[in-house]
This record gives sequence, structure tokens and C-alpha cells, in this order.
Amino acid sequence: AQSVTQLDSHVSVSEGTPVLLRCNYSSSYSPSLFWYVQHPNKGLQLLLKYTSAATLVKGINGFEAEFKKSETSFHLTKPSAHMSDAAEYFCVVSDPSGTYKYIFGTGTRLKVLA
Amino acid sequence: DTAVSQTPKYLVTQMGNDKSIKCEQNLGHDTMYWYKQDSKKFLKIMFSYNNKELIINETVPNRFSPKSPDKAHLNLHINSLELGDSAVYFCASSQVRLAGLEQYFGPGTRLTVT
Repeated sequence: AQSVTQLDSHVSVSEGTPVLLRCNYSSSYSPSLFWYVQHPNKGLQLLLKYTSAATLVKGINGFEAEFKKSETSFHLTKPSAHMSDAAEYFCVVSDPSGTYKYIFGTGTRLKVLA
Repeated sequence: DTAVSQTPKYLVTQMGNDKSIKCEQNLGHDTMYWYKQDSKKFLKIMFSYNNKELIINETVPNRFSPKSPDKAHLNLHINSLELGDSAVYFCASSQVRLAGLEQYFGPGTRLTVT
């Protein structure tokens, strides 16, 4: 069965410092992985996705993630945090067994300090 | 030009009532989904329709009944509402049912049952 684990429920960084949000996955197949962001009282917006092409994936707003099969990880990074990055971030794996449903991690709340 | 829209945005109702949430997508997508986000921000798939056919029906009480009148609409009807149904419900759509395709989310409907 597919699953994702987000290792930190809360992360705090200072504005202008790097961001690292950690995600590990479990999948019997070659996974499709996504990062979504949810700002307060908003819907979810796709940041980036990995679908077995390049292992380093660039997304919107300066975010990127690296797929590491040996570590079963898909960590999200950004070189310099901005106040507007404060939000909830979800790592997602797509179940390839036929339904392709999303399986969500439990989320990481990113706080950016001025 | 909202891609995935939901109505209403907020819904406050009493236990035992029946309510509906509507979802519409103007992206021309074939597949639509309903997710439930609980108070801890955890997101879980409830239902999915592909070309008006039910393809995912997770372990959801049968008080919840999705209806897809056409490819662009997926409504959620809830009978005999309970306190535990309080949550944010998200509708989403994807172009087709394939691994690696992103889902587009609506803004959510916050349901409060008193």
C-alpha cells in the first residue's frame, strides 16, 4: 500500500533563510509524488510534481523537490523563505493501482518569522 | 474564471438535517473527487467519478451520496447530519484518471454541524 509520512508537523524559519520540509513515501510501484500548499481558509494549490522524469523538480514560487529513490524521500526546499510562504504544505502520493487516488501526508505547517 | 467552484462556501446546520454541496469544474476534465479535511487538517478521499461513473467509494457512511449529473458537476448530499460530519469538504478534478496528473481543487466548503 502507498503512504506518505511528513516528518515535521510544524516548521519555523526566519524570513530569508532556507526552507526544508521533509517527506518520505512508501510505494510498491514507481510513484507519482506531489507537493501542494494550502494557505489559510483557501483551497490547495499544486507546487510541483514528480512523475519519473527528472529527479530534481522545480515548482512555482521558487520551490523545488528532489526525488531520492534510495532514501524513499521527496523533500521540499526553497533557498529563501518569504512571509507569504507561511501555509500548510502537503506531500501526496498517487495510488497507481488503478484508482490513482491521492494519498495525503498529515501536513507541515510552515511559519515564517520576520 | 474559477476552474473548480463549490457552493456554498460555508454551511452551518443542525444535527439531523439533510444538506447538499455543489461542485462544478469548467476545465473539461473527466474525473472529479470529493475529499474531507478534518479539524487536524488531514485530507482523505471520499469519492471519485470518472465520466459520471463512480470509481472510488471509500469507507464513507451511506448517509453520504455523491451525484454526478454530467462530467462537469459532482454534488455531495449528506443525510441525517451528525456532529462528526463537521469538516471542510473539497472538490477536485483531473483531466483523466492517470497517475501523475495533477488534481485541481476547489476553495472548499466548511460544514459546521451544531
